Amino acid sequence: AQSVAQPEDQVNVAEGNPLTVKCTYSVSGNPYLFWYVQYPNRGLQFLLKYITGDNLVKGSYGFEAEFNKSQTSFHLKKPSALVSDSALYFCAVRDPRWVTGGGNKLTFGTGTQLKVEL
Amino acid sequence: DARVTQTPRHKVTEMGQEVTMRCQPILGHNTVFWYRQTMMQGLELLAYFRNRAPLDDSGMPKDRFSAEMPDATLATLKIQPSEPRDSAVYFCASAPGLGEEKLFFGSGTQLSVL
Repeated sequence: AQSVAQPEDQVNVAEGNPLTVKCTYSVSGNPYLFWYVQYPNRGLQFLLKYITGDNLVKGSYGFEAEFNKSQTSFHLKKPSALVSDSALYFCAVRDPRWVTGGGNKLTFGTGTQLKVEL
Repeated sequence: DARVTQTPRHKVTEMGQEVTMRCQPILGHNTVFWYRQTMMQGLELLAYFRNRAPLDDSGMPKDRFSAEMPDATLATLKIQPSEPRDSAVYFCASAPGLGEEKLFFGSGTQLSVL
């Protein structure tokens, strides 16, 4: 079965510094990978996805993610963090069994709390 | 601005009572998901519908949980009888389907079973 792992429960970064939120994946076949963000008392919001093509994927709010097949990683990055980026970030992988059927069943990681301080 | 609407936002009930959570997916979306979020288990997929038909409900305890889509504008998740371990935030999400991978989440129902 497919899975993603987020090894850090929390990441602390000073505003203006670059940030990285880590994610590794395990899936048979080509991976379909996603990042979502959750602000307090809200549902998850889509940030970006990797399906195929360039290993560096750009998404919303200045975030990007780097796909590394050899390391089975899909780390989320931002060159300069903002206090408003503080939130819970989820990595997710699409179940490959649903791909041909056009489905989009996702398995989420446990989440990483990002805290950006002044 | 289209959004997924969930009601109620908060529900406090006593063990043994029936709980019904409702979701209005974005108009035109034909896939609907129910997720449960807890500190211990994170996000768990409970059920998945396409064109109102259940495609996967393997993550849902069948003895007490049921999920339905009476029509294209309403999805329901029921728990009967509820137990304290059901306390969690329940999210509904919808997607256009046909390969669209972006899910749109509602704001969730915070359920507390005493």
